[in-house]
Amino acid sequence: QKEVEQDPGPLSVPEGAIVSLNCTYSNSAFQYFMWYRQYSRKGPELLMYTYSSGNKEDGRFTAQVDKSSKYISLFIRDSQPSDSATYLCAPQDQTGANNLFFGTGTRLTVIP
Amino acid sequence: NAGVTQTPKFRILKIGQSMTLQCTQDMNHNYMYWYRQDPGMGLKLIYYSVGAGITDKGEVPNGYNVSRSTTEDFPLRLELAAPSQTSVYFCASIRRGEGNQPQHFGDGTRLSIL
Repeated sequence: QKEVEQDPGPLSVPEGAIVSLNCTYSNSAFQYFMWYRQYSRKGPELLMYTYSSGNKEDGRFTAQVDKSSKYISLFIRDSQPSDSATYLCAPQDQTGANNLFFGTGTRLTVIP
Repeated sequence: NAGVTQTPKFRILKIGQSMTLQCTQDMNHNYMYWYRQDPGMGLKLIYYSVGAGITDKGEVPNGYNVSRSTTEDFPLRLELAAPSQTSVYFCASIRRGEGNQPQHFGDGTRLSIL
């Protein structure tokens, strides 16, 4: 079983749509849950992160973690063409070297 | 502030050749990481370092070597290039010990082995 499972998409939505991106994970020891955004031919950049279960909102983006079901979500409201990118979920191992465990990434295209 | 700088950006190697992928960070970060990203796959950890002189294996270390002689630099060495090592390689770093800090990534080295 993979540490992190993520639907690879691709996902194509019209501008203004609400987007839901999801991951599941298997290691109950994960405490921090990162979302990275990766534009074409660029390195991943941190979008936002949450600690333990709960929600965190940052502008049009909301990250949600349900540790009881090991489920991670990222919601994008009023999606824009500039949101077109690959989104990677990455739970973090707080022991040792703060290693990240990446999902495969979901490729999102927002159509004007 | 340059952040994490990787060189070269692109490279084509022949099978059996060797090369070193360079990674430098100017943020005084103590932890550094090397990942590879294959199409349709997530980033896989190759090696990491928690400080100068200290390195450890990640999930996919076979065929690679690293060294960390300074805080700033963390080169990745391929000794005998194989087609399976065709990938995009990313270097990342964090300053551990100041709360939960995100990993900062370079823009990658695209490596093809033919």
